[in-house]
Amino acid sequence: KAGVTQTPRYLIKTRGQQVTLSCSPISGHRSVSWYQQTPGQGLQFLFEYFSETQRNKGNFPGRFSGRQFSNSRSEMNVSTLELGDSALYLCASSPTRDGHNEQFFGPGTRLTVL
Amino acid sequence: DQQVKQNSPSLSVQEGRISILNCDYTNSMFDYFLWYKKYPAEGPTFLISISSIKDKNEDGRFTVFLNKSAKHLSLHIVPSQPGDSAVYFCAASMEGNQFYFGTGTSLTVIP
Repeated sequence: KAGVTQTPRYLIKTRGQQVTLSCSPISGHRSVSWYQQTPGQGLQFLFEYFSETQRNKGNFPGRFSGRQFSNSRSEMNVSTLELGDSALYLCASSPTRDGHNEQFFGPGTRLTVL
Repeated sequence: DQQVKQNSPSLSVQEGRISILNCDYTNSMFDYFLWYKKYPAEGPTFLISISSIKDKNEDGRFTVFLNKSAKHLSLHIVPSQPGDSAVYFCAASMEGNQFYFGTGTSLTVIP
C-alpha cells in the first residue's frame, strides 16, 4: 500500500497570504488528522476529519481550517499567514477513529512565512 | 497546556547499552499510549503502544512501561543500536483520534 502523501513538501509564503496544503491518506483510511510541529512544542493537534466531517479540533485560531473529500483526501487552509505559522505541518491517517490505533504520518509540508 | 511532557530534550547512550526515554502525563483519562520515532525530513513512524489496562508491552528490543499511579510512561531500548538515533515522541489519547504528543527526546546512540 502506498503511504500517506502530502503536497507540496516545501512552501514559502509572505505574511498576510493564505496557503492550502493537501494530504492523501492510505487507501481505506477514513480518518485524517493534521498536526503542527514547531521546535520545542512537539506536535500540536490541529483537527481530525472522518467521513468528511470534522470530529475533533485543537486549540488553534479560526485562520486554520480544513476539509475532507469523499475520497478521504484532505486539505488544510491557513489564511492571513503570520510569521509564527512557520512550521512543519504533518498529516496522519488511521483506519479507525477510536483512538486505539497507530496513526500513519506523511512526510510533512515545511511552511516558511517571511 | 502541555498534557504530555518529555522533560529530557536529549539523551546519549553507548551502543549496546540500554536507552530509557521517559514521558509524563497529567490527564488521568488517557487510556492509550504510543511511542513514535522520527528521522529528519520524515514523518513520525509508530514504534510501540500500550493500553491503560496493561503495565508493560514488549516488542523485540523495545519495551514500554506504564505506571498509572505516577502518570508515567517509559520506553526501554535494549540493546541500543546506532540506527536508533532519532527523535522519540510519546503520545496519549482518551477517545477519538485526538492524540496529545510530547515535545520529543533526541536519542543519540554512540558507536
